Order: sequence, then C-alpha cells, then structure tokens
Amino acid sequence: DAKTTQPNSMESNEEEPVHLPCNHSTISGTDYIHWYRQLPSQGPEYVIHGLTSNVNNRMASLAIAEDRKSSTLILHRATLRDAAVYYCILRDVRSGAGSYQLTFGKGTKLSVIP
Amino acid sequence: DTAVSQTPKYLVTQMGNDKSIKCEQNLGHDTMYWYKQDSKKFLKIMFSYNNKELIINETVPNRFSPKSPDKAHLNLHINSLELGDSAVYFCASSQDSTFSTTEAFFGQGTRLTVV
Repeated sequence: DAKTTQPNSMESNEEEPVHLPCNHSTISGTDYIHWYRQLPSQGPEYVIHGLTSNVNNRMASLAIAEDRKSSTLILHRATLRDAAVYYCILRDVRSGAGSYQLTFGKGTKLSVIP
Repeated sequence: DTAVSQTPKYLVTQMGNDKSIKCEQNLGHDTMYWYKQDSKKFLKIMFSYNNKELIINETVPNRFSPKSPDKAHLNLHINSLELGDSAVYFCASSQDSTFSTTEAFFGQGTRLTVV
C-alpha cells in the first residue's frame, strides 16, 4: 500500500512556481522518494527521485526535509503542459523477492490556470 | 524512437473472449512490469519480470498470464474476459528493480473495453 500522503488537488497560475507537498512519516532510512506524473491519456512519466539531499533536474527540483518525513516537488515555472496527476512514491520492498516495486497512491491533480 | 511500446492501443472485445496485449522495450532494461489502471484511476501493479523470470505476481486472477519470451518483451494474455477487466493496462520497464538509481519508463497504455 502507498505510504505517502498528498493533497487531492492543487491549482497554479501559469508561469508561477508550484510546490507540491508529500508526507511520508513512516519512511525508512533506505527508502528513495520518487515522483512521477501522469498527463491526461498518457502513461506515467518519471519526474525526479532522491534519498536525502535535494535534487535538481531539467524538469523539477525535489526538496527533502531534514528528517525525511516530508518532501516537496517544485516546478519552477508551471506551464499548461504541466497539468497532470503527480504521484509521490516510496519504493516498496518485496519480501522474499529481493526487489522493489513502485506502488502508486492517489496523487495530486495539478491544474494550471492560463 | 518509442522506448516502451504497447499494442494495441485500444481493444474492444466481448465477454468470454481471450485477448493478448503486447509490450516491447528498446531500452535494454532487465525488468518489465504490467500495471492496471481502473476507472477510478488507481494504478496497481500486476506482474514484474526480471530477466524473463517472474518476480512479482500480485493477487491477480489466473485468467491473466504474463509471458516473457525475452528481456525486451512482456506480453499479457487474458482468458475469458469479464466486464470488470475493462481498464487501461500499462507496461513499464526499468534497468533493474532496485529503484535506487533507476527509473521506470511506461508505455502509452492499452485501453481494454469488455462489452
């Protein structure tokens, strides 16, 4: 089961920064924090992931709290194309299988207002 | 070039039929997955294969049978289709199943409608 909590929906004005929060209070020391997004009628798309330090890439930034119990995905300038459902995911260990899986929760539906 | 491709994109079929969805990835990844997204938009993992070996098999009816002829392909065969099987099915792949330095790449989905 998903171990993260996100707001159901958020709104942002176009060309403004967006901060998408995620709580993961039961995170373990080896849990990576992943963010994916799903645009309408498309498959999920990787955005960013990190373990302890803040991360930046061409799509977004990931700010991870010092205690790692929460994180924030930052879109620096929202565009209409960023309207999507954003999923914050902790990789799920598969006991006995020696592998992990990504378990998706409900995510946050981001609307971008022109 | 499409990284993870699924065929068909749309599939409409009658109850009781048997159908297959094909998936191919050209990324050289070792691990492939099938996910199901229902009408409420919940995305749930069904199966995972690593180097052609089944490593994850969630509680899925026996009517669903994945087949991996090689590392680049993971097909999903569904027998005796039911109305409740209507959903969007996504194939995905990743370099490995650790998700420490890896990410998953998803296909565009196959919308299955059972009538």
